Amino acid sequence: GAVVSQHPSWVICKSGTSVKIECRSLDFQATTMFWYRQFPKQSLMLMATSNEGSKATYEQGVEKDKFLINHASLTLSTLTVTSAHPEDSSFYICSARAPEAHQETQYFGPGTRLLVL
Amino acid sequence: GQQVMQIPQYQHVQEGEDFTTYCNSSTTLSNIQWYKQRPGGHPVFLIQLVKSGEVKKQKRLTFQFGEAKKNSSLHITATQTTDVGTYFCAGRGTGFQKLVFGTGTRLLVSP
Repeated sequence: GAVVSQHPSWVICKSGTSVKIECRSLDFQATTMFWYRQFPKQSLMLMATSNEGSKATYEQGVEKDKFLINHASLTLSTLTVTSAHPEDSSFYICSARAPEAHQETQYFGPGTRLLVL
Repeated sequence: GQQVMQIPQYQHVQEGEDFTTYCNSSTTLSNIQWYKQRPGGHPVFLIQLVKSGEVKKQKRLTFQFGEAKKNSSLHITATQTTDVGTYFCAGRGTGFQKLVFGTGTRLLVSP
């Protein structure tokens, strides 16, 4: 089946630093990837849709300059949290849409837990 | 914007009891998906429903899509401890690419 990986799985950083999270589709090409954020015991909130070769589409309320997304290839999208602050601490999950004929299944990566001190 | 609500938020059952979670969208959906997220894990795709009134079964799990394509349900028969986790529905509105996740129902099963 379709596998999506994320790296790193855990990040602890100091306030003010930038953190890059990678999302890779391992056995399929994904023209579209999605970045979600999840707070403890809450639902997934879509942050942005990452399109290969073009600019990401951000959801309302998500700062583009704060959360930089790059989708440089069909198997890799990156999310950079710039000048991270404690309120950015969260579980960040990416997903990729598998190119199946009859379904629009999204396969999720294992997530990245970010803790900003 | 489109909102997807689930009830109940939380349910604690004894092993062997049945469980149902309900999903309601503020707008008509083109399809609905269900995901399971284990504690500390990531969402795992369970199923997708597309047709009005569609019912699908996966072993002890029964999924239903409402006639108006605005609601859905997941029913688990004879729960097991391995069913523990949070169940999310996720709906895609007609003409929209974005998948909107429901608020989730957290299931706890005691042996």
